[in-house]
Amino acid sequence: DGGITQSPKYLFRKEGQNVTLSCEQNLNHDAMYWYRQDPGQGLRLIYYSQIVNDFQKGDIAEGYSVSREKKESFPLTVTSAQKNPTAFYLCASRLDRGPEKLFFGSGTQLSVL
Amino acid sequence: GQNIDQPTEMTATEGAIVQINCTYQTSGFNGLFWYQQHAGEAPTFLSYNVLDGLEEKGRFSSFLSRSKGYSYLLLKELQMKDSASYLCAVNSGYSTLTFGKGTMLLVSP
Repeated sequence: DGGITQSPKYLFRKEGQNVTLSCEQNLNHDAMYWYRQDPGQGLRLIYYSQIVNDFQKGDIAEGYSVSREKKESFPLTVTSAQKNPTAFYLCASRLDRGPEKLFFGSGTQLSVL
Repeated sequence: GQNIDQPTEMTATEGAIVQINCTYQTSGFNGLFWYQQHAGEAPTFLSYNVLDGLEEKGRFSSFLSRSKGYSYLLLKELQMKDSASYLCAVNSGYSTLTFGKGTMLLVSP
């Protein structure tokens, strides 16, 4: 079955530590996105990529980094510069720009120890 | 800037009809999406509107008025499983969606 796989489901970060969230899709989608969701809040865009080896900052990119070396993969690193990383992280993809709907992964809950 | 407003919370009774409103002010408009999200899960696509009018899909319908910057999601014959958060999202540019904060719907027996 085609879809988006995020791992791990739960992740804990220690102070000063970088952690990487995985996102893989086998839908052959061009564009991939990372969103952050805080309790009672909507989704806020962190980074997005429309093509391999290219990505753009979203609204809250500070303290995060990404790479897009393969079409299928778009990992997100939460760096030690992100002082409030506890949140639910959602990866999404879609076929191309325009009216195509987003498909979401099942999410990663990141907490700070 | 981008601004999308939805009510924070709504309650309804099983079998009833509920309407969730969404107003938006964005620098551009290229379509509006509604998603359903259960707690701790991924959002799932419900509907898409780009032209004015009503789109019906089973128990769910969505309406759009571009001149008013307004949309609503109508849920009929409510079921307990419809208890979830409903997210309004606008495609304001060409590449990204801007989401509202979501409306938590609680369906009671």
